[in-house]
Amino acid sequence: GDSVTQMEGPVTLSEEAFLTINCTYTATGYPSLFWYVQYPGEGLQLLLKATKADDKGSNKGFEATYRKETTSFHLEKGSVQVSDSAVYFCALRANSGGSNYKLTFGKGTLLTVNP
Amino acid sequence: GAGVSQSPRYKVAKRGQDVALRCDPISGHVSLFWYQQALGQGPEFLTYFQNEAQLDKSGLPSDRFFAERPEGSVSTLKIQRTQQEDSAVYLCASSPRALTGANVLTFGAGSRLTVL
Repeated sequence: GDSVTQMEGPVTLSEEAFLTINCTYTATGYPSLFWYVQYPGEGLQLLLKATKADDKGSNKGFEATYRKETTSFHLEKGSVQVSDSAVYFCALRANSGGSNYKLTFGKGTLLTVNP
Repeated sequence: GAGVSQSPRYKVAKRGQDVALRCDPISGHVSLFWYQQALGQGPEFLTYFQNEAQLDKSGLPSDRFFAERPEGSVSTLKIQRTQQEDSAVYLCASSPRALTGANVLTFGAGSRLTVL
């Protein structure tokens, strides 16, 4: 079945540091890929998405590129802020087949950014 | 409302009690999902409604779990005879259309259930 593996945290960075959170996936066909963010006490929010190979999703300074050859969707940000402290989830949704409405999530990566 | 609303936000139950968790999706949203998020884990799919029809309940862990959406809007997730392993955050999400491909969901803040 489909699965998502993301780098285990926690990740602790200083403000303005470079961030990478690795994500790889296993899926049949060509899934859509997502990064969700969960701030303390809040619901999951979509951060960015990509629907096909070589697409780059971007939002709020975060970027991720859909790499079919390496089945990866790594999240990057050039300069993190304290307000980026949250849990980040990589997820996929199949684009074909009978269950193409389910999201499959990774376990999440806790990011803490210190001033 | 402006977002997906879930209640209660926190629920403590004694083992063996029944609980009911409510989800108010965004008005007019066709698709509604329930996910279970155990501590330190990613959310896992429980069930999917399209309007009032429950199209997939394959993720419900046991027959103690039951979900309904009788009028195609508000949904309730009921857990009978709660066990400690049911402790988790239960997330509700909705989408304006039948969900395929890259359509995005709006998640609620979740209901955190603790079973003692």
